[in-house]
Amino acid sequence: EPEVTQTPSHQVTQMGQEVILRCVPISNHLYFYWYRQILGQKVEFLVSFYNNEISEKSEIFDDQFSVERPDGSNFTLKIRSTKLEDSAMYFCASSLGGPGDTQYFGPGTRLTVL
Amino acid sequence: AQSVTQPDIHITVSEGASLELRCNYSYGATPYLFWYVQSPGQGLQLLLKYFSGDTLVQGIKGFEAEFKRSQSSFNLRKPSVHWSDAAEYFCAVGARGSQGNLIFGKGTKLSVKP
Repeated sequence: EPEVTQTPSHQVTQMGQEVILRCVPISNHLYFYWYRQILGQKVEFLVSFYNNEISEKSEIFDDQFSVERPDGSNFTLKIRSTKLEDSAMYFCASSLGGPGDTQYFGPGTRLTVL
Repeated sequence: AQSVTQPDIHITVSEGASLELRCNYSYGATPYLFWYVQSPGQGLQLLLKYFSGDTLVQGIKGFEAEFKRSQSSFNLRKPSVHWSDAAEYFCAVGARGSQGNLIFGKGTKLSVKP
């Protein structure tokens, strides 16, 4: 069964450094999402992406965040200058259709900012 | 603003016993409703979803959920719990008219006693 994959599984970085989290969505899916889950808290929506552009973003997704689909398979989340509070599990998801369609989640990347 | 409440942080049931996990949502219209399960170290797996139509929804692994508009609830049930059901369960809401972003509850951790 097709699945969403994410790399790396765990990323440790120093505060102020840039990180890129990578995702490979399911190949025929058209909608892509990033969520994050700070330890002990709920899963929070960051951004949705469709047709090579951001379709919606949350208040969390400020100027230090960016997303890109650099080729036909990868979907990346970049954090330009990491802060301690960016430490979280970051989940990528994809869906074939838009709102209401099932979102398939990857296993997540645990980001630790020191 | 939309919100999801899962009032039970942690529930313990005996294997073979029935299970009900509660979920209440706040939204001005009928949302899309989802239940996801997360096992340790894994991503979020969809159990079931409500889109429209029949308010009793069947999912994978023997789970079902009932949408009750009058109570703004979407409780998850299983008649007989198995040890492998031990995991964290998340209720999520998707707003019709959004770009697909999901609002999650804080989750309910299920432990299963032998």
